[in-house]
Amino acid sequence: VMTQTPLSSPVTLGQPASISCRSSQGLVYSDGNTYLSWLQQRPGQPPRLLIYKISTRFSGVPDRFSGSGAGTDFTLKISRVEAEDVGVYYCMQLTHFPYTFGQGTKLEIK
Amino acid sequence: EVQLVESGGGFVQAGGSLRLSCAASGFTFSGQEMNWVRQAPGKGLESISYISGSGTTRLYADSVKGRFSISRDDAENSLFLEMNSLRAEDTAVYYCARGYSSGSHLGSWGQGTLVTVSS
Repeated sequence: VMTQTPLSSPVTLGQPASISCRSSQGLVYSDGNTYLSWLQQRPGQPPRLLIYKISTRFSGVPDRFSGSGAGTDFTLKISRVEAEDVGVYYCMQLTHFPYTFGQGTKLEIK
Repeated sequence: EVQLVESGGGFVQAGGSLRLSCAASGFTFSGQEMNWVRQAPGKGLESISYISGSGTTRLYADSVKGRFSISRDDAENSLFLEMNSLRAEDTAVYYCARGYSSGSHLGSWGQGTLVTVSS
């Protein structure tokens, strides 16, 4: 089970935001990698990959997004929130099938 | 540009069947791991099925095991999801997603197709 906090995050434009994700089991795969991703879903859009393997930004993702963590505790940080960042953010583990997602954190502008 | 376009969704009675398709373009489909992920209205994401690049490994979430079947046609650059014995709780937008780097991450997603099951 993937547990995200907070479930809602009102943020002022230009301010940082942080979302936590905790897994009920370890996510280190037998190859030594931890397959923890972060996805963004803007209203009315499909999910979009932001971060994979804890901290690697996917192609085209702005560097204001960063991921960190290890073991069972992970964090997504947005250094300075922009209007286009509004949406729901999900953590996702791909170490064990079925892949599982956090409940989602709704990021909104104050 | 990578594109994944789902089709085949619609309205169906409980107990009925549907076949979803996902047309892939912009990358070499053959050998790529593919997935189906669904999202019930107003809810979160649920991974339901995976197929390996060779098609030999097929995995299913317990919620659809025995009712859904994933397949691929590399000659047609297409992914499929055969859905039988549909239930009201299968109502969702169904997304196909491409796996990158041996399943490390799902980097490309389609726009989704809506399946509505009426009880």
